[in-house]
Parts: sequence; C-alpha cells; structure tokens
Amino acid sequence: DAKTTQPNSMESNEEEPVHLPCNHSTISGTDYIHWYRQLPSQGPEYVIHGLTSNVNNRMASLAIAEDRKSSTLILHRATLRDAAVYYCILRDPYGGATNKLIFGTGTLLAVQP
Amino acid sequence: NAGVTQTPKFQVLKTGQSMTLQCAQDMNHEYMSWYRQDPGMGLRLIHYSVGAGITDQGEVPNGYNVSRSTTEDFPLRLLSAAPSQTSVYFCASSYVRTGNYGYTFGSGTRLTVV
Repeated sequence: DAKTTQPNSMESNEEEPVHLPCNHSTISGTDYIHWYRQLPSQGPEYVIHGLTSNVNNRMASLAIAEDRKSSTLILHRATLRDAAVYYCILRDPYGGATNKLIFGTGTLLAVQP
Repeated sequence: NAGVTQTPKFQVLKTGQSMTLQCAQDMNHEYMSWYRQDPGMGLRLIHYSVGAGITDQGEVPNGYNVSRSTTEDFPLRLLSAAPSQTSVYFCASSYVRTGNYGYTFGSGTRLTVV
C-alpha cells in the first residue's frame, strides 16, 4: 500500500487559514487522495478527496501538486471545532483489496483562541 | 437516514468471554470494515468485506471473526476476549467501485476486557 507522511502536530490561531501538508511520493495513477478528521472521542469523519485537480467543498479545499506526490488540506478559517487529528490516506477504488483505507498517525491540529 | 449504527456503545467483558459487536448501515454500501483504535494511536484495519458473502483480513485480524450474510450487516465476533483487545472499535462503510465517495464511520464501541 502506498504510504503517506504527515507532520505529527500543527498549531493555528482561530479564524486564520490552516495548511495541512501530506507527502505521498509512491502514489499510483489510480490512487485517490482522501482526508479524514477525528474529533476527540468521535469516529473519523470524511473531509474531502481528489484525484488530480484541486477540490473544494463546504468543509475545506484540497490542493494537489502537479506530480501528485504531495497535497495540502486547506481550512480557510480555523475554528475551535476544527481541533482534531487529520488523516491523509490514499485509496484505490478499483483495486479490490486495495480499496481499503489504511490510516497513518495523522496530524494533530491545535487551534488557539 | 441513520448511516452506520454500532451497538453497543460500551461493553465490559471478562477474559475468555465471547461477544459480538454489531454494525449496520442503511446506505446500500457494498464495502464494510472494522477498525480498532488504541489510546493515542491511529486506526488499524481488522477485517473488511467488499460485498455479501465476501470477507478478508486486514492488518490485525487475529482473535476476531467476521461474516457478511447481508449487505446491511457486518458483525465482529470476539470468540475468547483478551485484555489486549481492550480498545475502541469503529465500523465503516462505503461504495466500492467509485472514487467519488468517502467512508462513513460509526460512533464506535468502547470495549474493556478485564
């Protein structure tokens, strides 16, 4: 399974943008880049995913490098409710057994008021 | 639309006891999976299924059994509980053959084995 590398922790101030990086140098052509977050004492929550182009939704934006070896999750205005562990995961939906999500250790985001 | 429902939310077992963690989804997802999360760690995949009648092992399958007789349900069985199985267990589901959907997770079952 292709691996991802994320910083262990990051800090942000409330109402400021946050850029969470992820490196995935061994990504294959059919791997989608997924981001999930886990709030304290809750199950993981889907945030966003993409293949090649940058993606936006109501929660965040995903910027994907042209060579797809890295990506950045962007929270445009961090709130205290965004404090969570953020996971960057590669998923191949056409790979059968590789359809599964394998979690790394993620980035713990702290948001200061 | 309930999403992914896990029961029970909390459970205490004695070593050697057996139990089944229930997981049900109402989204007609083909793919279902079980994860465990130990304190301060990420999620580790136990077993997964790509459809009714099909199951496979994940990263940490030892001590757990699964079956998938219907699309909606994917129970996880502990045949003889051990303290090392103390953890929080999450069930997740998704469509299989498209990249346009994420996984939906349940709220978890917190299991303590004494």
